[in-house]
Order: sequence, then structure tokens, then C-alpha cells
Amino acid sequence: RKEVEQDPGPFNVPEGATVAFNCTYSNSASQSFFWYRQDCRKEPKLLMSVYSSGNEDGRFTAQLNRASQYISLLIRDSKLSDSATYLCVVLYGNKLVFGAGTILRVKS
Amino acid sequence: DAGVIQSPRHEVTEMGQEVTLRCKPISGHDYLFWYRQTMMRGLELLIYFNNNVPIDDSGMPEDRFSAKMPNASFSTLKIQPSEPRDSAVYFCASSPGRGASLSKQFFGPGTRLTVL
Repeated sequence: RKEVEQDPGPFNVPEGATVAFNCTYSNSASQSFFWYRQDCRKEPKLLMSVYSSGNEDGRFTAQLNRASQYISLLIRDSKLSDSATYLCVVLYGNKLVFGAGTILRVKS
Repeated sequence: DAGVIQSPRHEVTEMGQEVTLRCKPISGHDYLFWYRQTMMRGLELLIYFNNNVPIDDSGMPEDRFSAKMPNASFSTLKIQPSEPRDSAVYFCASSPGRGASLSKQFFGPGTRLTVL
């Protein structure tokens, strides 16, 4: 079983749609949680951290459920520029463990 | 500000050849990480350094891989001899460290390695 599991997608959505990605992690000792974004043939970049109380950054909302070991990312009012791969990331000790990513394609 | 710098950006080599990938982290960052990304295995941590000292190399696939950090502004990842299954994108990342900020890793543009 992978340490961080994500639905690979792709999720094909029209502009303006709301889309949600989910992620599960296997190690209950994990300390911190993040979403990274990776554009095609580019490096990953930190999108946002995920806090237990849930947090929002503009059109993006992240949620964490420690009991279920589940992380989510909600994107509202999708833009063409949101098309990318979204990586669920968990911090174990000093190491980041990356999920395989979920591909999002936003179409006009 | 310059981000993480990697060279070369692309490398094509033949099986059996030695390959050296280079990385310059962001100035002032205490942590440096080497990752490998493939379609099959995703993004995997190979090794990381703290203050130029290797801390965890458990992700290094085998003895053909070695990494060094002779000073705070330079690191290398060497593959000798290279094999076709080493073909991947190799990312270097750096972080200021210090607790939760360790999670804020800044990635270089990557080196796309093809071993024929």
C-alpha cells in the first residue's frame, strides 16, 4: 500500500465548475499536510498547507480529517490556469512523501 | 531572487556512462533534497542534507548512485554506471528548515535524464 494515495484522474471540468480532490495517507504519525501543484514539465510548487480546522486561500479550500487520515482540496470557480497536477503531500519526520498526483484539466 | 538552480536541464547519455547532476540551493537554506520523478513511481526522495551533511540516503536506489555536498552552495548527484531505468526527471529542492518550515521546499527546474 502506498503511503499517500490519490485518484490519478484526469478530472475534466468546464470553466467555472467546482472540483474536489481527495487523498488518504497511511501513517497516523504524520505531522503536516500540504497540497503542491505541478504544471506539465515543470517543478512542483507549494499550493497550500492543510490545517486540522480547514483553511481557505481564495478559491481553494483544504480540509484534513486525522481520524480518517484523509485530506481534501476543493477548487471553486475553476479557471483554465488551474489545469495542472495536484500532489497531496505528507510530512513524516523531516521527509515529504508525495502522492502520485491528480490531473485536472479545465476546459473552456 | 535566484531560485534553486540545476544543471544540465537535459542530459542524454548511453548506458554505462557516468552522469553528474548539479544543484545550487537558495542561499541561506540549510536543507537540500534530491528527488527522482517517473511516471511509474511518482516523486521519490533519494537523499537529503542538513548543513552539508547527508542525513538520510535510504531512498538512494543502489550503489551506482552517490551524492555529495562539498559546501552550502553546491551539491552533485552522480550515477555511475548509468542504466536505461535511471531515465527520469531529477529535482533538487532546498528548504530553510527549522520545524514546519521544512515543508516549504523550493524545487529547481529539474534535470531530464535519458539513458539510451
